[in-house]
Amino acid sequence: QKEVEQNSGPLSVPEGAIASLNCTYSDRGSQSFFWYRQYSGKSPELIMFIYSNGDKEDGRFTAQLNKASQYVSLLIRDSQPSDSATYLCAVIALLDMRFGAGTRLTVKP
Amino acid sequence: DTEVTQTPKHLVMGMTNKKSLKCEQHMGHRAMYWYKQKAKKPPELMFVYSYEKLSINESVPSRFSPECPNSSLLNLHLHALQPEDSALYLCASSQESGRRYAEAFFGQGTRLTVV
Repeated sequence: QKEVEQNSGPLSVPEGAIASLNCTYSDRGSQSFFWYRQYSGKSPELIMFIYSNGDKEDGRFTAQLNKASQYVSLLIRDSQPSDSATYLCAVIALLDMRFGAGTRLTVKP
Repeated sequence: DTEVTQTPKHLVMGMTNKKSLKCEQHMGHRAMYWYKQKAKKPPELMFVYSYEKLSINESVPSRFSPECPNSSLLNLHLHALQPEDSALYLCASSQESGRRYAEAFFGQGTRLTVV
């Protein structure tokens, strides 16, 4: 069983729509959850982090965490073509950070 | 601009060469990481240096060896690599807060090609 699972996509949404990205994890001891955006050939860039159950909003981004269901999601409102990238879910348990395979998002003008 | 600096940005090396990748952070973070990322794959953890202790992913071959000269530097020494080791090597750092590990910030990466 993979430790961190994401739908690899590609996920395609029209400009201005809401993009919904999902992630599940297997380790119930996981404490910290992150979403990174990675453009092709570039390094991951932190978008959001969340530690507690519930929603956390930052501009157009909302992270949602449900520890009982071992589920974390990222919503991108008013999607822009510049949001087109691969989004990596990352989970920390104990000493290391594990990444999901990433979801490739395409926002069409 | 990232505050995690990796050098070099690109490296081409032969299978008999010895080279080193360097990573430096000036954020006072206590944890530093090396990741390897192949094309269209997520980053894979290689090493963690946290609170002066090194943790190693046991699947990483011994031709990769980390070195931590001080709390702001984490180097990766390369020796007798194979062509399949060609990848983007990412360094990251984070600040621990008790039992909770904070977000990690990545350097720009070193694109390594082994010929």
